[in-house]
Amino acid sequence: KAGVTQTPRYLIKTRGQQVTLSCSPISGHRSVSWYQQTPGQGLQFLFEYFSETQRNKGNFPGRFSGRQFSNSRSEMNVSTLELGDSALYLCASSPGLDKLKETQYFGPGTRLLVL
Amino acid sequence: AQSVTQPDIHITVSEGASLELRCNYSYGATPYLFWYVQSPGQGLQLLLKYFSGDTLVQGIKGFEAEFKRSQSSFNLRKPSVHWSDAAEYFCAVGPFNNAGNMLTFGGGTRLMVKP
Repeated sequence: KAGVTQTPRYLIKTRGQQVTLSCSPISGHRSVSWYQQTPGQGLQFLFEYFSETQRNKGNFPGRFSGRQFSNSRSEMNVSTLELGDSALYLCASSPGLDKLKETQYFGPGTRLLVL
Repeated sequence: AQSVTQPDIHITVSEGASLELRCNYSYGATPYLFWYVQSPGQGLQLLLKYFSGDTLVQGIKGFEAEFKRSQSSFNLRKPSVHWSDAAEYFCAVGPFNNAGNMLTFGGGTRLMVKP
């Protein structure tokens, strides 16, 4: 079974631009969660989608948004990029029905550099 | 708000020696507890998790963790460390009501293994 796939793996943008990151979950998984990892703030939860609906949201500004498609693939978008948005963005997938009792599988991440 | 503390940022152990990584959490009830490992350039991999029941939990790769309610701790242990265990380890908690797949992570402990 293929693992969680994230594209692109690396990205360089400039301040003020917007960016879209993609996450393809493991086949059959309906929950996709996104995390931001930075040296200063560590790993922080962004949001979770389940069956095309946002189920939970972390404490991030509205510049960070996401969506999930009917095939469970998810995208996250960051508008008006700031230098502090430079980070490794990780997504994780799981079947989603039993939530935390299931194992979440993480992708390798997308490393975003904002110049 | 829930929080997770990993007091040791770096730990160095000799190959074959025992290992204990500390994790303390702050939460109003017994949360769901997790340990993840992240190797360089990789996503996170779940080592073990605790929801209820036996307070000693066995995981993959020979790891175990013990939940101690009185100390609000969930320390990770391994009796004999291998060079391939060198990585960063994260303790995480999820809400006790299993509202969704949102995890709060500790700051991580980087493990180095001496030959």
